[in-house]
Formats: sequence, C-alpha cells, structure tokens
Amino acid sequence: AQRVTQPEKLLSVFKGAPVELKCNYSYSGSPELFWYVQYSRQRLQLLLRHISRESIKGFTADLNKGETSFHLKKPFAQEEDSAMYYCALITGGGNKLTFGTGTQLKVEL
Amino acid sequence: EAQVTQNPRYLITVTGKKLTVTCSQNMNHEYMSWYRQDPGLGLRQIYYSMNVEVTDKGDVPEGYKVSRKEKRNFPLILESPSPNQTSLYFCASMGSMNTEAFFGQGTRLTVV
Repeated sequence: AQRVTQPEKLLSVFKGAPVELKCNYSYSGSPELFWYVQYSRQRLQLLLRHISRESIKGFTADLNKGETSFHLKKPFAQEEDSAMYYCALITGGGNKLTFGTGTQLKVEL
Repeated sequence: EAQVTQNPRYLITVTGKKLTVTCSQNMNHEYMSWYRQDPGLGLRQIYYSMNVEVTDKGDVPEGYKVSRKEKRNFPLILESPSPNQTSLYFCASMGSMNTEAFFGQGTRLTVV
C-alpha cells in the first residue's frame, strides 16, 4: 500500500536560514508527488508538484526515485513561510490522494 | 471565482444526532473527496467519488456516508455521530486524475 512519511512534526528555523522539509514515500508504481501548504486559518492549497519541476515562492522539490524522497527546500526562509506543509502522493490511476502527517514550519526572527 | 464551499464552518452536536456537512464545487470537477484532519495523523481520506453516482471508501470510512447525486455536490453524512468523530473535515475536488486538488475551508465538528 502507498504511504507518505514526514518524520518531523515541527521544524523551527531562523529567518534567512535554509529550510528542508523531508518527505519519503513508498509506492511500487510511478508516483505523482505534491506539496500542499496550509497557512494559519486558511484552506490547504497546492504549493508545487514534481511533474512541473518549478519553483514556487522560492521552494523547490526534487523527486529522488532511488531514495524514494521528495524533500521540499528553500535556501532562505522568510517569516511568511510559517505554515503547515503536507507531502502528498497520488496513486491508483489518480483516484487516491494520500497525505503525510504534515510538518509545521516556524520561521523565527 | 473557482472554489469549494463547505457548510457549516463550525458545528457542535450531541452523540447520536444525525448531521450532514455539505460540500459544493463550481469547477465542474469529476473527482471529489472528504478528509479528516487530526493532530499527529495528518489528513486521512474518508470517502471519494470519481463521478456522479460513483463513490468508494477511503482509509477511514467507518461511521460516515456520502452521496453524489449531482456533479457539484458531495455531502458527508454522519448517521449517528460519536465523540471520536470530533475532527476538522475537508472536502476537496479535482478536475481530472493527477491534477491539483482544491480544498474547502474546513468544517470543525465537535461531538459531545
């Protein structure tokens, strides 16, 4: 069965420091991976997807099939990056979106 | 504006009293789903629907029902709510497979 693991519940960094939110997945097929973000009191929204290979708000994520990872990175954290981040995997031909348990990112001044 | 709308936003109810949480999307999406969000457990899928009259169980379907009579609506029904269903619920829709999911604003349910 598919599974998404986010080992850190809380990650606290100082403004300007690099950020890496870890995500590992288990799936025997070809995965479609996403990062969703939930700012305080707002709904979840898509941050980026691996197939697009784009940078959103300075964040990037590279799919590493060998390590089955999709870590989210940003070189310089900003205060507005403070939020809950969820890694997600689509499987089953697209009918099942599985989320990790989420990582709360706190950027301190 | 493209959006997914849930109602109510907040609900406090008593054990055993049937309730419905509505979800509506205006994007003509085929795929809709319900999740519950609990601390330390992330988002877990309750039910999903691939199209009108097509629904299937997710990871935690016990105690819930859904229906999909129209494309835009996907209500979540709790026939006999229990305190362990106290949670934050999210509805989501997707236009086609492997695309972005759009989420509602959430419904915070408390069952006492």
